[in-house]
Amino acid sequence: DAGVIQSPRHEVTEMGQEVTLRCKPISGHNSLFWYRQTMMRGLELLIYFNNNVPIDDSGMPEDRFSAKMPNASFSTLKIQPSEPRDSAVYFCASSFGRDNQPQHFGDGTRLSIL
Amino acid sequence: AQSVTQLDSQVPVFEEAPVELRCNYSSSVSVYLFWYVQYPNQGLQLLLKYLSGSTLVESINGFEAEFNKSQTSFHLRKPSVHISDTAEYFCAVKGTGGFKTIFGAGTRLFVKA
Repeated sequence: DAGVIQSPRHEVTEMGQEVTLRCKPISGHNSLFWYRQTMMRGLELLIYFNNNVPIDDSGMPEDRFSAKMPNASFSTLKIQPSEPRDSAVYFCASSFGRDNQPQHFGDGTRLSIL
Repeated sequence: AQSVTQLDSQVPVFEEAPVELRCNYSSSVSVYLFWYVQYPNQGLQLLLKYLSGSTLVESINGFEAEFNKSQTSFHLRKPSVHISDTAEYFCAVKGTGGFKTIFGAGTRLFVKA
């Protein structure tokens, strides 16, 4: 089985540019999560979806961040405009259902904003 | 609501020595408990999970964790570590009926030769 697929693996861009991160969850999983990981703040949940509907976006840091899930097999996280403090590793994870199902993580996108 | 506390941010240990990574949680509802491992430049991977039944759960690579309801703990142990166990370990809790998993801050395990 293919795992969670994220693209790109690395992104380097200049401040002010738009950044789009992409995620393909595991087929059949109906929950999708976006996380951000930094040395200073650790692993932070940004937003999660269930059945393509955003359930909780309280972790999204600012209006510059937005996320969409147009269908069950694709999600995007967009930052516009980007700032140097957005530099981090962004992870996408998916799971099936509630309760006892673990999350499956992609390998992340390492984002550097210059 | 749930919360997770990992009591050690870093644990250095010599190869073949035993190790314990500590985790305490709090929750107002019944929970499921997980340990995840993160190797460099990779995402988190499930190491083991406690759902119900026997309070001692084991992973395929020799780690084990014991659910202690009275102490609200889920410590991770391994009797003899290898260099390849060097990684960051995250304790996590999920409330029954919930979507969200709450992760601890992580413990970096350094195994020295």
